[in-house]
Amino acid sequence: GAVVSQHPSRVICKSGTSVKIECRSLDFQATTMFWYRQFPKQSLMLMATSNEGSKATYEQGVEKDKFLINHASLTLSTLTVTSAHPEDSSFYICSARSGEGSYNEQFFGPGTRLTVL
Amino acid sequence: AQSVAQPEDQVNVAEGNPLTVKCTYSVSGNPYLFWYVQYPNRGLQFLLKYITGDNLVKGSYGFEAEFNKSQTSFHLKKPSALVSDSALYFCAVRDRTSGTYKYIFGTGTRLKVLA
Repeated sequence: GAVVSQHPSRVICKSGTSVKIECRSLDFQATTMFWYRQFPKQSLMLMATSNEGSKATYEQGVEKDKFLINHASLTLSTLTVTSAHPEDSSFYICSARSGEGSYNEQFFGPGTRLTVL
Repeated sequence: AQSVAQPEDQVNVAEGNPLTVKCTYSVSGNPYLFWYVQYPNRGLQFLLKYITGDNLVKGSYGFEAEFNKSQTSFHLKKPSALVSDSALYFCAVRDRTSGTYKYIFGTGTRLKVLA
């Protein structure tokens, strides 16, 4: 299957700093990318959907000014957690899909563990 | 609204025994259903999907799932469990009403295979 990578895999930062997480589709062009967060022992919660070259669509309750998403190319999307606080500590997972249409499958990245001190 | 439910937080099974992880769904129209597995501190790995066709879907690592329309279920099964199957399993449905075809995940079921 297609490969999606995330970088970094693990990051620790101080409260108040910003952290950028990259999501790359390695062998296909991702017209749509999704960002999820997962708290310990909980399911994946969709944060936002981004289409290449346009603004991300955020799910209800997700602060767009805090979680900045950029999908500048067909192989790269970034999530920036601005002014991070300890409650932002979580496991962030991206997924990517090529093309539109309901038959197109999503491929998931390995996740990024963010710890805010 | 489209949703999936995984009624069991945890399933324990002895190695070599058959395993079943349950999933029920609620969708309008024909469902697109998926099973994913997650190992600790890792992303999701695709196991199998049902789009259309045969109700019994075979997937990776010897897993299979049976789509049952009358019971609105999509249970994951394996004839003989391995200790290495111990992980977190997610059932998901693709939301075809949103226009973005985003996935809606169940709450997950932790499978523990005992040696």
